[in-house]
Amino acid sequence: DTAVSQTPKYLVTQMGNDKSIKCEQNLGHDTMYWYKQDSKKFLKIMFSYNNKELIINETVPNRFSPKSPDKAHLNLHINSLELGDSAVYFCASSQDQVREGETQYFGPGTRLLVL
Amino acid sequence: AQKITQTQPGMFVQEKEAVTLDCTYDTSDPSYGLFWYKQPSSGEMIFLIYQGSYDQQNATEGRYSLNFQKARKSANLVISASQLGDSAMYFCALRGDTASKLTFGTGTRLQVTL
Repeated sequence: DTAVSQTPKYLVTQMGNDKSIKCEQNLGHDTMYWYKQDSKKFLKIMFSYNNKELIINETVPNRFSPKSPDKAHLNLHINSLELGDSAVYFCASSQDQVREGETQYFGPGTRLLVL
Repeated sequence: AQKITQTQPGMFVQEKEAVTLDCTYDTSDPSYGLFWYKQPSSGEMIFLIYQGSYDQQNATEGRYSLNFQKARKSANLVISASQLGDSAMYFCALRGDTASKLTFGTGTRLQVTL
């Protein structure tokens, strides 16, 4: 009964390829997020969706496009992959986006390696 | 702008001892939340404990407690009776009331020794 799941867990691909990472949460949460963790373990927000609506879009290259088909799913599509995209991508969810006390629950991460 | 500072890149503690992991923050939001997450070597992010800026008491959750000093803008994590399984990266994070994102610190790697 995984609360926040991501597929795939590992992704190895060549530069220039297009790839997608999928995220699903079964917690009934309204808000979902994508974070990127770089090689130095630094975590940074990329996107956030609330009820399928984009609410946070940090300074992320246009090659990254999130899509939320419904509030339980938030996918991340990456075009023209570059070496610098190699990282761990975490999906997270929270009940809502309003309260500062809302805990975000993270998926297991997708380890992307671009060769 | 929001900022989290974790000044200890690495810490060692002996099994059964207590350890404090430091976290200072900066925000202009009138209310905010502070979170600690654990990331073991397997890579997942595990939520440990939360402290609200208006909470009167320090948060506790089992062996984890948060030493919250609002005037000093610090939210240190205290782990009591350390266990080998506590060896991991620990991240402090801040969420303000104007944006739902978490701002993370750079993390502290804790190693528990026999």
